[in-house]
Amino acid sequence: QQQVKQSPQSLIVQKGGISIINCAYENTAFDYFPWYQQFPGKGPALLIAIRPDVSEKKEGRFTISFNKSAKQFSLHIMDSQPGDSATYFCAASMADSWGKLQFGAGTQVVVTP
Amino acid sequence: NAGVTQTPKFQVLKTGQSMTLQCAQDMNHEYMSWYRQDPGMGLRLIHYSVGAGITDQGEVPNGYNVSRSTTEDFPLRLLSAAPSQTSVYFCASRQASSYNEQFFGPGTRLTVL
Repeated sequence: QQQVKQSPQSLIVQKGGISIINCAYENTAFDYFPWYQQFPGKGPALLIAIRPDVSEKKEGRFTISFNKSAKQFSLHIMDSQPGDSATYFCAASMADSWGKLQFGAGTQVVVTP
Repeated sequence: NAGVTQTPKFQVLKTGQSMTLQCAQDMNHEYMSWYRQDPGMGLRLIHYSVGAGITDQGEVPNGYNVSRSTTEDFPLRLLSAAPSQTSVYFCASRQASSYNEQFFGPGTRLTVL
């Protein structure tokens, strides 16, 4: 049973549009929420991460929104580009479990020209 | 730095065969882990290690063994391969703190016939 539920499974967005991926969790002990980006044939790479003491974190075109009371967090990709076409994974961990990451199922994003 | 390296990149086994997936990192990271990636299931933790000589089970450990004799190396052994172990395997490492970035290797695609 996945502890982090991710949606949608896939999405197609036009160049310049906004991609939004949502994740939900149940374990309130989670205290670190990273997003990983994976290109075909490659390993995942950290994109951006957030701790629950802030509600939003922005790095370039990528923004994490965090809603602690709803136990949800989301990734927004602004001005989506064809180079953003990849699979995105949300994850969560808690410090007192050696920071073991629990991953969502992944979202395949395709940005059309 | 080479980062996290994995060998082989591809492997085909017959049911019942054994093999070892190799993983090495040159970043002096204390924490190393093995994941398997299956469609629609994200990445699931198989085993992890918090330092040389210390290993523990993750979410899906059955059928796999690990050992950590040095900081750099963390091999994953399949004792008797089964078709259910067909997957893409990723090794990852990070510094001790749970909030540090986890670096992934390029993966090994394993097929068990």
